[in-house]
Amino acid sequence: KAGVTQTPRYLIKTRGQQVTLSCSPISGHRSVSWYQQTPGQGLQFLFEYFSETQRNKGNFPGRFSGRQFSNSRSEMNVSTLELGDSALYLCASSLGPPDEAFFGQGTRLTVV
Amino acid sequence: AQKITQTQPGMFVQEKEAVTLDCTYDTSDPSYGLFWYKQPSSGEMIFLIYQGSYDQQNATEGRYSLNFQKARKSANLVISASQLGDSAMYFCAMREGVNQPAGATNKLIFGTGTLLAVQP
Repeated sequence: KAGVTQTPRYLIKTRGQQVTLSCSPISGHRSVSWYQQTPGQGLQFLFEYFSETQRNKGNFPGRFSGRQFSNSRSEMNVSTLELGDSALYLCASSLGPPDEAFFGQGTRLTVV
Repeated sequence: AQKITQTQPGMFVQEKEAVTLDCTYDTSDPSYGLFWYKQPSSGEMIFLIYQGSYDQQNATEGRYSLNFQKARKSANLVISASQLGDSAMYFCAMREGVNQPAGATNKLIFGTGTLLAVQP
């Protein structure tokens, strides 16, 4: 059974650009959550989707957005990138809340 | 306010010895779950063990056990017989409202982590 797949694994972008990260959950899982991990702030919750609906949102500016498709795959978008957006972005999937979450390997974004 | 505290930034342990990683939490929700994850240098978060707030017994999973002291709001991870492959970052995390299906969420609140180094 395939795990959570995040693409791309590594990304370098320039300040002001926008970026889209993708997450394919484990087959059958309908819940996807996103987290940002930085050395300074640690792991912070971004948002959570279940059956294409955003159920919960963390304390991030509106530049951070996401969506979930009918096949449960999810994307997150960051517009007008800032240097501080450099981080490891982790996606987690589960059958549905509050089941155990399985994480992907993350997308490491570097903003220069 | 909901919070997870891990006071040990780094720990050393000799191979084959046991080690305890500390975690304290704060929540006003009577229904919550506590998790431990391992994060190797590759970045993936690997689930280790789970303890529900209403569970009567401490959780165990192979070499991992969770020392749950509800009154002290602590959920320490014990790794027995440490192996070189256990060297990684370890995160304690909490989820609230685990017994409320209507308002259930997968949102996890993480501690700052403990970097464990197992020495041969």
